[in-house]
Amino acid sequence: GEDVEQSLFLSVREGDSSVINCTYTDSSSTYLYWYKQEPGAGLQLLTYIFSNMDMKQDQRLTVLLNKKDKHLSLRIADTQTGDSAIYFCAERTGNNRKLIWGLGTSLAVNP
Amino acid sequence: GAGVSQSPSNKVTEKGKDVELRCDPISGHTALYWYRQSLGQGLEFLIYFQGNSAPDKSGLPSDRFSAERTGGSVSTLTIQRTQQEDSAVYLCASSLGTSGTDTQYFGPGTRLTVL
Repeated sequence: GEDVEQSLFLSVREGDSSVINCTYTDSSSTYLYWYKQEPGAGLQLLTYIFSNMDMKQDQRLTVLLNKKDKHLSLRIADTQTGDSAIYFCAERTGNNRKLIWGLGTSLAVNP
Repeated sequence: GAGVSQSPSNKVTEKGKDVELRCDPISGHTALYWYRQSLGQGLEFLIYFQGNSAPDKSGLPSDRFSAERTGGSVSTLTIQRTQQEDSAVYLCASSLGTSGTDTQYFGPGTRLTVL
């Protein structure tokens, strides 16, 4: 069945890079997404990658996709305290409109 | 407004009562989704509407849950005879279409507490 897994917690120092990892099981994934949820705020799409891509870069964010291992990562360069949030990985499979979500990784940035 | 809005922001109800949760999507968005986020759980898909097509209700957990979308805009999620396990944050999202590149924009959610 479909499943998306993430580690639950990550703690980094301000200025360091953060790497949040995600694994998924469905090989028919077409799009993979990273969403950010800040306390008291709604979910915000950070970036997405199409399954035929290996990498996507957007300013401080780098997404790496290893389709063979079904592994997705989000790297945040020069992590700031404002990056503290929960980061969700989600996948969309085939023609399915709904997204399958991980449980979220809580990122804590320490000054 | 510019974003997806939901009301109420918080709802406390007694077990066995019915509740209605409202979602106002972004104007012009044809797709609307409902998700549930329980404590310690990821987002669980409930239902989605796309234009005039029949909704995909495959995620509704029981027949106590139903949703409508009137006039292709506002949507109401109704939970009948609420149970304590229904306590969660109910999130609504809308998107321009249902292509993989159509971003789902989320509302702030309704936190439902069933006593």
